[in-house]
Amino acid sequence: AQSVTQPDIHITVSEGASLELRCNYSYGATPYLFWYVQSPGQGLQLLLKYFSGDTLVQGIKGFEAEFKRSQSSFNLRKPSVHWSDAAEYFCAVGLNAGGTSYGKLTFGQGTILTVHP
Amino acid sequence: DTAVSQTPKYLVTQMGNDKSIKCEQNLGHDTMYWYKQDSKKFLKIMFSYNNKELIINETVPNRFSPKSPDKAHLNLHINSLELGDSAVYFCASYRASDGYTFGSGTRLTVV
Repeated sequence: AQSVTQPDIHITVSEGASLELRCNYSYGATPYLFWYVQSPGQGLQLLLKYFSGDTLVQGIKGFEAEFKRSQSSFNLRKPSVHWSDAAEYFCAVGLNAGGTSYGKLTFGQGTILTVHP
Repeated sequence: DTAVSQTPKYLVTQMGNDKSIKCEQNLGHDTMYWYKQDSKKFLKIMFSYNNKELIINETVPNRFSPKSPDKAHLNLHINSLELGDSAVYFCASYRASDGYTFGSGTRLTVV
């Protein structure tokens, strides 16, 4: 079965500093990979996704992520964090079961990001 | 115009009651899901429907019964609510070109 690990439960950075949130997955083939952000009391917003092709993907709000097959990782990065980025971030693995579109998403445990002024 | 909308946003009810949560998507996606987010923020799939057919049922108690009247709607009915059912329930829809789109969640509190 597939699994997703986000090793950091809580990360604190200063505004303007760079950010990297780690995500490792376990799956026998190349999965579909996602990063979502959840602000307190809000739903999940898609930041970016990787299906195939270029392993460096750009997302919304200045985020990017790099798929590294050899490390089974899909780390999220941002060069300069803004106070509004404070939220919880979830990495997820989606499977396209048998070529259909109904593969389920498996989420990591989430990383809470705190931004200091 | 909300892509995936859930109602109600908040639901407070007593143990033993029966309640429903509704979900509608206007994206034209074929696949819809229910996810549960527990108090530790862990998200886990409950059900998946593809074109009104149940595809995934992840060992959810049979007090939970999803219903999909058409591919734009996926409702969740919960019988005999228990304290442990308190959570945030997210509806989502999926198409390969769009990825997964989530609703804003329904916070269920059982007292």
